[in-house]
Amino acid sequence: GDSVTQMEGPVTLSEEAFLTINCTYTATGYPSLFWYVQYPGEGLQLLLKATKADDKGSNKGFEATYRKETTSFHLEKGSVQVSDSAVYFCALSESSNSGYALNFGKGTSLLVTP
Amino acid sequence: GAVVSQHPSRVICKSGTSVKIECRSLDFQATTMFWYRQFPKKSLMLMATSNEGSKATYEQGVEKDKFLINHASLTLSTLTVTSAHPEDSSFYICSARDGTRQSGELFFGEGSRLTVL
Repeated sequence: GDSVTQMEGPVTLSEEAFLTINCTYTATGYPSLFWYVQYPGEGLQLLLKATKADDKGSNKGFEATYRKETTSFHLEKGSVQVSDSAVYFCALSESSNSGYALNFGKGTSLLVTP
Repeated sequence: GAVVSQHPSRVICKSGTSVKIECRSLDFQATTMFWYRQFPKKSLMLMATSNEGSKATYEQGVEKDKFLINHASLTLSTLTVTSAHPEDSSFYICSARDGTRQSGELFFGEGSRLTVL
């Protein structure tokens, strides 16, 4: 079945460091890919998404490019802030149809220190 | 944006009792809602797909008699944890798509933390 694998955390970075969180997927079709973020004590929020190959999703300085040839959707940010400390989840959906759930990776915890 | 609301956000109950968690789509209609369970430091596990007006579809390994799901209207799904035990303690999250949007993203409720004593 479809699945998502993302790098294990926790990841600890100093403020203004470069961030990469790796995510690879396996799918039989052409899934849509997502990054969700969960801040401490809060629910999940969509960070960015890409629906087809070579699409780049971006939001709040974060970027991820849908790479079909490497089945990857790595999350990057050039300069992290303390406020970026959260758990990041990579996810895929086979379809945007309302009947399809998201498959999530295990999450990567990010801690940014001043 | 689309809003999904859960209630209660926290609940503590005694072992053997039942607990109901509500999930509402506040500004859109959701024919399908999804219930996830999140374990500490682990990912979200899809428990079941809740279908308005019909039976829920449960994922393998999830006891349907234990976790009763009712989707009585286009804006409300409920999860009832029956005869709860301490191992049922977890963070339960519901989600839904707004079918009028093309983005395919899921909107999540705030989650409900269940503690069974």
